[in-house]
Amino acid sequence: AQSVAQPEDQVNVAEGNPLTVKCTYSVSGNPYLFWYVQYPNRGLQFLLKYITGDNLVKGSYGFEAEFNKSQTSFHLKKPSALVSDSALYFCAVRDSTDSWGKLQFGAGTQVVVTP
Amino acid sequence: AAGVIQSPRHLIKEKRETATLKCYPIPRHDTVYWYQQGPGQDPQFLISFYEKMQSDKGSIPDRFSAQQFSDYHSELNMSSLELGDSALYFCASSPGTRGTEAFFGQGTRLTVV
Repeated sequence: AQSVAQPEDQVNVAEGNPLTVKCTYSVSGNPYLFWYVQYPNRGLQFLLKYITGDNLVKGSYGFEAEFNKSQTSFHLKKPSALVSDSALYFCAVRDSTDSWGKLQFGAGTQVVVTP
Repeated sequence: AAGVIQSPRHLIKEKRETATLKCYPIPRHDTVYWYQQGPGQDPQFLISFYEKMQSDKGSIPDRFSAQQFSDYHSELNMSSLELGDSALYFCASSPGTRGTEAFFGQGTRLTVV
């Protein structure tokens, strides 16, 4: 069975500063990793994914994530945060044997970017 | 671009009533997934369908059932509603084995009173 841990309930960062949201995972097979963002009362918006290939993945809105197999981590990063990045961020994992949409989500990390 | 459409967006029901949530996937997507997100919780996988057949099952209560129709839309039927069923219900779709991520709808917020 797979699991995802997001160790921080909330991350506070000043606008213009680097933003990092942490995620570690556990799967029995090869991991397929995803980041989604959720704004209040909205759906989940896909940001980026790691399936295979380069460990550094670039996604939407200037976000990127680095896959680290030895540390079983997939941290989300943005070099310069914007106030509009304030939202709830979910890391999700899918075991390679599961269907594409059967995801195990982490508990979510609330990002607060202050002006 | 067309997205996943869910209806209704909001629904209020009383305990022991039934509710039906609808999901219209992105055109040419043949796989649909249902998730339940309780207040302050992460989304939990309920059930999925591929080509109108149930493909996977998660933590879906026996009081709930779902199906996918010939036009690939899906309906989640919930009976004997309980207060604890109050949640945001998401539908997602993907193009079967040709895609690598699921696209989520805006969700239906169900409130059981």
